Amino acid sequence: EAGVAQSPRYKIIEKRQSVAFWCNPISGHATLYWYQQILGQGPKLLIQFQNNGVVDDSQLPKDRFSAERLKGVDSTLKIQPAKLEDSAVYLCASSLDAGTSLETQYFGPGTRLLVL
Amino acid sequence: ELKVEQNPLFLSMQEGKNYTIYCNYSTTSDRLYWYRQDPGKSLESLFVLLSNGAVKQEGRLMASLDTKARLSTLHITAAVHDLSATYFCAVEGYALNFGKGTSLLVTP
Repeated sequence: EAGVAQSPRYKIIEKRQSVAFWCNPISGHATLYWYQQILGQGPKLLIQFQNNGVVDDSQLPKDRFSAERLKGVDSTLKIQPAKLEDSAVYLCASSLDAGTSLETQYFGPGTRLLVL
Repeated sequence: ELKVEQNPLFLSMQEGKNYTIYCNYSTTSDRLYWYRQDPGKSLESLFVLLSNGAVKQEGRLMASLDTKARLSTLHITAAVHDLSATYFCAVEGYALNFGKGTSLLVTP
C-alpha cells in the first residue's frame, strides 16, 4: 500500500514570496490533515479535512495560509506571503476516520520550508 | 486546551540499559498514540493505547496508559543504537495534540 505522498520535499524562498505544497493521501482515506512542525517541537494541527469539507481550521493563520482539497483526494496548502517564522516542516497525514473517533494517522515525509 | 508534557526532553543512555519516557496530559482522553521520528524523516506510528490499563509491546519498547492519572509511559528495555530517534506522544482531544518529543540517543 502506498503511503502519503508530499511534494516538494524541500523549498527555500524569501520572505513575502508565495509557496504551495501538495499532498496525496493514502487511497480510501477520508480525512486529511496538515501539520506544522517547528524545529524542536511536536507537530501542530493547521487544518483537517473530511472528504472535501473543512472540519477544523482554528489554528490556521488565515491571513496568509490557505488550503483546499478538491474532489476529496489531493490537497494543497499555500502560504502567501511567507514570513520568517513560517520556516518549518509541513506534514500531511491521512486517516480512514470511520465513525466519530480519530483513527490512526499516517504521515507523509513532509516538506521542509526555509524562509530567508 | 489539552496540554501534553513529555519528560525527559533529551535522553542519552548506554546500550543495554533500561529507561522510561513519561507523557502527562491535562484533560480526560481515552486514546493515546506514540510515534517515532528519525532525523529528517516523518512520523512512524508505534502504539495506539485505547483504554485505561492498556499495555502494548513491540520488541524492546513497551507502552502503557493510565487514564486516571493521565499518564502514559514508554519503557525501553536493553536499549540498542537503532532506537536512537525522537519519540512523541500524542493525545486525542478534539484534535491530536502532540508533546514536544523526547530525543533519545543510545551510545555504545
